[in-house]
Amino acid sequence: VQLQESGPGLVKPSQTLSLTCTVSGDSITSGAHYWTWIRQHPGKGLEWIGYLYSSGRTYYNPSLKSRVGISLDTSKIQFSLSVTSVTAADTAVYYCARGSAFMGIATWGQGTLVTVSS
Amino acid sequence: DIQLTQSPSFLSASVGDRVTITCRASQGISNYLAWYQQKPGKAPNLLIYGASTLQSGVPSRFSGSGSGTEFTLTISGLQREDFATYYCQQLNSFPRFGQGTKVEIK
Repeated sequence: VQLQESGPGLVKPSQTLSLTCTVSGDSITSGAHYWTWIRQHPGKGLEWIGYLYSSGRTYYNPSLKSRVGISLDTSKIQFSLSVTSVTAADTAVYYCARGSAFMGIATWGQGTLVTVSS
Repeated sequence: DIQLTQSPSFLSASVGDRVTITCRASQGISNYLAWYQQKPGKAPNLLIYGASTLQSGVPSRFSGSGSGTEFTLTISGLQREDFATYYCQQLNSFPRFGQGTKVEIK
């Protein structure tokens, strides 16, 4: 299984950050796993953003919930992240990943740096 | 809202040392805990889940223990490739991470 993030590396403040994760080697609709986004601010630790199952059940970090959305595009074997009203505090490396309930996150994309700046 | 606190935040050790990192949860989380290793510029790598189950392919010098609110990651016989940052993560509905422990060469 491989995951690959894609999207703009530079986003202006107040705009919407949109990233896509393309999945290869697994069925995104199998239901056995969840699909998640995690970010890491420069030089800092890991911050869980949210995840969803193919059933549509989603969970978001309460601190980001009002600005974040994660969705599946099963036809394109992709899942996406949107973060609205971004500020410099949203500058981070964004990882997409695949996890299993109570078994952790075993498969990660390589990460993509998104910078919020005018 | 369960918080995870790792200690220490930083440790200096030598090749061959036995190293222990602690992760404390603000509420009991049974054994729903994972450990990850992250090297600079790379995605994290899952080491242990279920507090003590070694992920496939991870060397046996890594071990995990604990339940409830206190957990430990032990590296028995530190190797050069083990110098990295380690994170714990709770595996319940809101899978937050600890703040990380950086292991550096003494």
